[in-house]
Amino acid sequence: EVQLVESGGGLVQPGGSLRLSCAASGFTFENYEIHWVRQAPGKGLEWVSRISSSGSSIYYSDSVKGRFTISRDNARDSVSVQMNSLRAEDTAVYYCARGSNIYYYFDHWGQGTLVTVSS
Amino acid sequence: SYVLTQPPSVSVPPGKTATITCAGNNIGSKSVHWYQQKPGQAPVVVIYYDDDRPSGIPERFSGSNAGNTATLTISRVEAGDEADYYCQVWNNYGHQNWIFGGGTKLTVL
Repeated sequence: EVQLVESGGGLVQPGGSLRLSCAASGFTFENYEIHWVRQAPGKGLEWVSRISSSGSSIYYSDSVKGRFTISRDNARDSVSVQMNSLRAEDTAVYYCARGSNIYYYFDHWGQGTLVTVSS
Repeated sequence: SYVLTQPPSVSVPPGKTATITCAGNNIGSKSVHWYQQKPGQAPVVVIYYDDDRPSGIPERFSGSNAGNTATLTISRVEAGDEADYYCQVWNNYGHQNWIFGGGTKLTVL
């Protein structure tokens, strides 16, 4: 069974930093790209970042570019996102999601971790 | 940037057919995927590549995509189908990103 488990969320002050992690199991991790998708309270889904299966190709949304850094460790079956210069508008549930190897969609999702940016 | 527009809400009685649209410029040239999200839960894909169903998704869920509109159709709606539904496409023009529609709240009356 494919499982994605996020951790690292919490309360952080504006301008602060936080590191989220996503632990994967139940599939050959090194064969799949992984994404972060977030959802602000009461709002819709917003794609944040993507890392390729090897880690050599990375994309970010304009809203986080220059502030977030995604990385992966295929030996540990995990992906992380380092979030710096956090803003109130970054408050959201952050999901890691597995990218399908075809058709560019998200075929499995974690349960999410809540990040709250507030003073 | 590419924009996907969904109606905020759709309401149908149980046993009837729900139709949720996703409008985008020439969306028929893209592959559209649909997700169901129930309160407090992570999204689940219900349709991918316009009209394919993952294993475990009932045949009552179907999709279509042509011109400027993609459509998710749920036949014989059940109370358990009440959820938020999001369409999604991949945009590779100028800046690669994955785009979601604003979401549609399906209410079963």
